[in-house]
Amino acid sequence: EAGVAQSPRYKIIEKRQSVAFWCNPISGHATLYWYQQILGQGPKLLIQFQNNGVVDDSQLPKDRFSAERLKGVDSTLKIQPAKLEDSAVYLCASSPTAEREQFFGPGTRLTVL
Amino acid sequence: ELKVEQNPLFLSMQEGKNYTIYCNYSTTSDRLYWYRQDPGKSLESLFVLLSNGAVKQEGRLMASLDTKARLSTLHITAAVHDLSATYFCIYGGSQGNLIFGKGTKLSVKP
Repeated sequence: EAGVAQSPRYKIIEKRQSVAFWCNPISGHATLYWYQQILGQGPKLLIQFQNNGVVDDSQLPKDRFSAERLKGVDSTLKIQPAKLEDSAVYLCASSPTAEREQFFGPGTRLTVL
Repeated sequence: ELKVEQNPLFLSMQEGKNYTIYCNYSTTSDRLYWYRQDPGKSLESLFVLLSNGAVKQEGRLMASLDTKARLSTLHITAAVHDLSATYFCIYGGSQGNLIFGKGTKLSVKP
């Protein structure tokens, strides 16, 4: 069974630029999550999708971050414009249902200069 | 506010020794997870604990859950270098969201 795929794996941008990350969850998983993990900290949930609907985006900085999950499969997370403090690893995870364990992708390491 | 507190946050062990990582959480939950993260890598699920008194073991690791005490433990038996990693205790919310502890960085030395 293929795992959660993410791309790119690494991205370096200047502040005020835009960036987008892509996630392909495990086939059949209805629930998809995006997390931000700052170096030395635990992951923080940014947004949770159930199929193509948003369940929880309370910690998503909506003035600069946006996410979508069209057709309830792949998802993209966008930052526009980026700030220095957005430097982090962005993790995508999926689970069959919200109550089941989550499977994490390899993450995208973002560096904002 | 829901809190998940792990201790210790840093743990340096000698190979062959035993130790326990503790995880306290502030709100009743029926689901508690333990994940492992190697440096520069993603998170790997170790244990899913779904009920009071649940105990699960895999190799040198054993996890338990006491929902009445709001406490989960991860016990390491006869540590080996390969266990060096960061271990996260994670509370499972009612809608599937996860609240992470700060993680315990374990270093096993020969």
